[in-house]
Amino acid sequence: GQNIDQPTEMTATEGAIVQINCTYQTSGFNGLFWYQQHAGEAPTFLSYNVLDGLEEKGRFSSFLSRSKGYSYLLLKELQMKDSASYLCAVRENNNAGNMLTFGGGTRLMVKP
Amino acid sequence: EAGVAQSPRYKIIEKRQSVAFWCNPISGHATLYWYQQILGQGPKLLIQFQNNGVVDDSQLPKDRFSAERLKGVDSTLKIQPAKLEDSAVYLCASSLAPTFFTADNEQFFGPGTRLTVL
Repeated sequence: GQNIDQPTEMTATEGAIVQINCTYQTSGFNGLFWYQQHAGEAPTFLSYNVLDGLEEKGRFSSFLSRSKGYSYLLLKELQMKDSASYLCAVRENNNAGNMLTFGGGTRLMVKP
Repeated sequence: EAGVAQSPRYKIIEKRQSVAFWCNPISGHATLYWYQQILGQGPKLLIQFQNNGVVDDSQLPKDRFSAERLKGVDSTLKIQPAKLEDSAVYLCASSLAPTFFTADNEQFFGPGTRLTVL
């Protein structure tokens, strides 16, 4: 089984930088995903990490430390449209192949 | 490329009634997933199909929930009878068949069906 923890809510100011943390415990780690979900909409893929280090994709970056069971999503130059929930999901190495377990999500509110 | 299609988008029923949801995955995606997302929580996997076979249904409440993917493409999820705690968004997702050589193999989500049980 897995245990995935992330903060429930965060607030940040337009133009600023925000870091959303995720910690996990798993018996067979095989990748970590970040998804963005706007209210009332489906989750959309943001990033994927399987090796330690930083993956950068425009204004968004994601970091992974497998030894610490820790990841963060970094959002730069925040825009109002970044107000959404951010879901951390861990893929476990098991017979199910691509099965993901999601955290509860972090609701980010961007204020002017 | 067309995305994952789901219907209906909204459904309101009374407890003890039955309901069914339909999902059409992205063309060529062998793997299909049904998730339940209760308000304020992350999605919880109910069942995963690989083509028309069940890969994992360990979190599916089998006394009332059932799902099938008879021809390996479309899928239906049924609840019979519904309870108040089944009120949630039911998300369908699809992905390419997982292999150990596939790096991210992201899951693509449909718009979901919002179920309200009164």
